[in-house]
Amino acid sequence: KQEVTQIPAALSVPEGENLVLNCSFTDSAIYNLQWFRQDPGKGLTSLLLIQSSQREQTSGRLNASLDKSSGRSTLYIAASQPGDSATYLCAVVTQGGSEKLVFGKGTKLTVNP
Amino acid sequence: DGGITQSPKYLFRKEGQNVTLSCEQNLNHDAMYWYRQDPGQGLRLIYYSQIVNDFQKGDIAEGYSVSREKKESFPLTVTSAQKNPTAFYLCASSITLGTQYFGPGTRLTVL
Repeated sequence: KQEVTQIPAALSVPEGENLVLNCSFTDSAIYNLQWFRQDPGKGLTSLLLIQSSQREQTSGRLNASLDKSSGRSTLYIAASQPGDSATYLCAVVTQGGSEKLVFGKGTKLTVNP
Repeated sequence: DGGITQSPKYLFRKEGQNVTLSCEQNLNHDAMYWYRQDPGQGLRLIYYSQIVNDFQKGDIAEGYSVSREKKESFPLTVTSAQKNPTAFYLCASSITLGTQYFGPGTRLTVL
């Protein structure tokens, strides 16, 4: 059974700092991995999707990498801003018959001005 | 204005009552999903549908039911058999193995 773990559970940084969020998964046979952002009381916003054949994806100040063989992904946020404060969720779709996303519990990020 | 909508935003249920949460999308996506989110537990899959008139149970389907009569709509009914229904419910849709797009959520509270 696929399990997704995110470390740390919470992170507080000063504005302008570069930071890395970590995601690990137990079954490396995945179709893709997605990073989401969730603001309090809101739905999820998709940030980046990495297909299993890809090593990384970039969008603006965000860069996500994928090392499928070791079961790891990182989300790099450059020059963090207070508006980046949110919970970041990692999720994978495992090969083998369905398109179910399995989520980690998230990392709650606070960027202090 | 394309997207995925959920209603209502807040819903209150009395003990023993069934309630239905609405989810509509105009993205022409084949697949739709229902998740439940509890504090400290992350998102858990309730039901999903990859095509009209077909759906499968997720990890926590007990006490819930769904229908998929139209491509655009995937309503979730929380039945009286669900003993702990207070949670934040999220609906999503996607193309096959594509990015999942989420609605704004419905917060259900049992009175």
